[in-house]
Amino acid sequence: KNQVEQSPQSLIILEGKNCTLQCNYTVSPFSNLRWYKQDTGRGPVSLTIMTFSENTKSNGRYTATLDADTKQSSLHITASQLSDSASYICVVTISGNTGKLIFGQGTTLQVKP
Amino acid sequence: NAGVTQTPKFRVLKTGQSMTLLCAQDMNHEYMYWYRQDPGMGLRLIHYSVGEGTTAKGEVPDGYNVSRLKKQNFLLGLESAAPSQTSVYFCASSYIRRWNEQYFGPGTRLTVT
Repeated sequence: KNQVEQSPQSLIILEGKNCTLQCNYTVSPFSNLRWYKQDTGRGPVSLTIMTFSENTKSNGRYTATLDADTKQSSLHITASQLSDSASYICVVTISGNTGKLIFGQGTTLQVKP
Repeated sequence: NAGVTQTPKFRVLKTGQSMTLLCAQDMNHEYMYWYRQDPGMGLRLIHYSVGEGTTAKGEVPDGYNVSRLKKQNFLLGLESAAPSQTSVYFCASSYIRRWNEQYFGPGTRLTVT
């Protein structure tokens, strides 16, 4: 069964600290993996996209990694800010003509001052 | 550009009532989608459209109907609302060649009592 599991479910950190969110997937055939940020009351917004051959990709203070062998991805947030408080969603694309997106349930991050 | 917009933002329905959610996009995207987001679960695809006048079922289509009479609009209808349809509904759109890069609207929070 194609699944995307994220951990932890929720996380609270202090402003300025770093954190890492995890995403494990059992999706085949794999096309790419995308991390979305969803602010409260808003729709998801894409942060990064990674294909099979990419190990690391950065977007400002956000760094995503992908290990296609173990089917794991992580999103590392450096020097967190209050504005980082949001849900982070891992989405895996199934390749092919009948491709579809498999969404993780998200990790809710709260950054406290 | 307004991107993807949704109306209404909030709605409360009684069981058995009907309503239509409107999605509009100004990015000239060919594809449009309707998702629902429930606590602890990933976004699930309800219906999608690959072009004007064309719609298809997604993962959870029962109880919903859709129409795409114009390229920029995608309507989601509930003919007889049920409490199980209490959810947050997101519309998304994408280009045909980059279909997995989806742009989301702000969502509609629907409560069925």
